[in-house]
Amino acid sequence: AQRVTQPEKLLSVFKGAPVELKCNYSYSGSPELFWYVQYSRQRLQLLLRHISRESIKGFTADLNKGETSFHLKKPFAQEEDSAMYYCALKNAGNMLTFGGGTRLMVKP
Amino acid sequence: NAGVTQTPKFQVLKTGQSMTLQCAQDMNHEYMSWYRQDPGMGLRLIHYSVGAGITDQGEVPNGYNVSRSTTEDFPLRLLSAAPSQTSVYFCASSQAWGQNSPLHFGNGTRLTVT
Repeated sequence: AQRVTQPEKLLSVFKGAPVELKCNYSYSGSPELFWYVQYSRQRLQLLLRHISRESIKGFTADLNKGETSFHLKKPFAQEEDSAMYYCALKNAGNMLTFGGGTRLMVKP
Repeated sequence: NAGVTQTPKFQVLKTGQSMTLQCAQDMNHEYMSWYRQDPGMGLRLIHYSVGAGITDQGEVPNGYNVSRSTTEDFPLRLLSAAPSQTSVYFCASSQAWGQNSPLHFGNGTRLTVT
């Protein structure tokens, strides 16, 4: 069975500080991993996906198959980054499993 | 372009009542799904559909029914509401599957069962 774990329910940092939101997964196949974000009063939306190896709003995430992790990182947090972040894994049957979410609070 | 539309936004039910949460998308997406969002548990998949006439169970299907008679609509039915079904429900759709098909979410339906 696949599982996505986000160990931190809440992460609080000051503006300008680096931020890392942790995501670990368990899956026997080749995973497809995503980060979704939900800003206050907005719908959940895709932030980035591992296969694209892209940087969105300064965020990056590298898939580490050895550690089964897909941590989300940003070198300098901004106040507008405050949101709920969900790591998600899609299996071969297209079921998307979400982690429990991490609320990021960036303080001024 | 409306995207994914969910109705109602809020609903209060009494235990034992039934109701249908509506979800419609106008993007001609093949894949549609329902999630419930509970504090500390993230989003859990209830049911999903890979095309009209095809549905399958997710992680937490008990107490819910779905049907997919058209590409656009994917209603979620609560047959006999229970307090454990108090949650925020999200409908999501994507064009197909794979990395190039991100999910598009609706705004959610907040359901309270008393």
